[in-house]
Amino acid sequence: AQSVTQLGSHVSVSEGALVLLRCNYSSSVPPYLFWYVQYPNQGLQLLLKYTSAATLVKGINGFEAEFKKSETSFHLTKPSAHMSDAAEYFCAVTLTGTASKLTFGTGTRLQVTL
Amino acid sequence: DADVTQTPRNRITKTGKRIMLECSQTKGHDRMYWYRQDPGLGLRLIYYSFDVKDINKGEISDGYSVSRQAQAKFSLSLESAIPNQTALYFCATSTSGRYNEQFFGPGTRLTVL
Repeated sequence: AQSVTQLGSHVSVSEGALVLLRCNYSSSVPPYLFWYVQYPNQGLQLLLKYTSAATLVKGINGFEAEFKKSETSFHLTKPSAHMSDAAEYFCAVTLTGTASKLTFGTGTRLQVTL
Repeated sequence: DADVTQTPRNRITKTGKRIMLECSQTKGHDRMYWYRQDPGLGLRLIYYSFDVKDINKGEISDGYSVSRQAQAKFSLSLESAIPNQTALYFCATSTSGRYNEQFFGPGTRLTVL
């Protein structure tokens, strides 16, 4: 069975500071990994995905994530936070061959302060 | 126009009432999903459907049922609502491709008193 763990349910950064949201996965076979963002009163939208091609994945709004097999991690980063980045972020995993069954982490709420 | 729509957006009901949440999509996707979101628990899969005749239970299907009326419509029912079904409910769709990017509706906030 696959799972993801997001460390830190709340993260607060200053505008312009580095954003780092952590995600570790557990999987017995090669996973596909996703980061979704949820803005207030909205559904989730895809930020980026890892599908076994390049280990460094670039997404929308300046976010990127690096797949590290040795650390079973897929942390999300952005060099410089903007107020508009305030949202909840979810890491999710699915396994090759289990098509369509995403397992989500518990989410990390990002607060951006002036 | 939104690709994935959910109705109603908000609903307050009483314990024991039957409730139906509806989802429609114009993306032409075969696969549709229902999730519930609870604070601190993330999203959990209730039911999913790969096509009109293929419906599967997810992680937390007890107390829920679904109907796939057409490729574009997937409804979630609570036959007899209870307070611990108070949550935010999301519908999502995806293609049948390998990478399973899911597209989410705006959600339905359900409160059961």
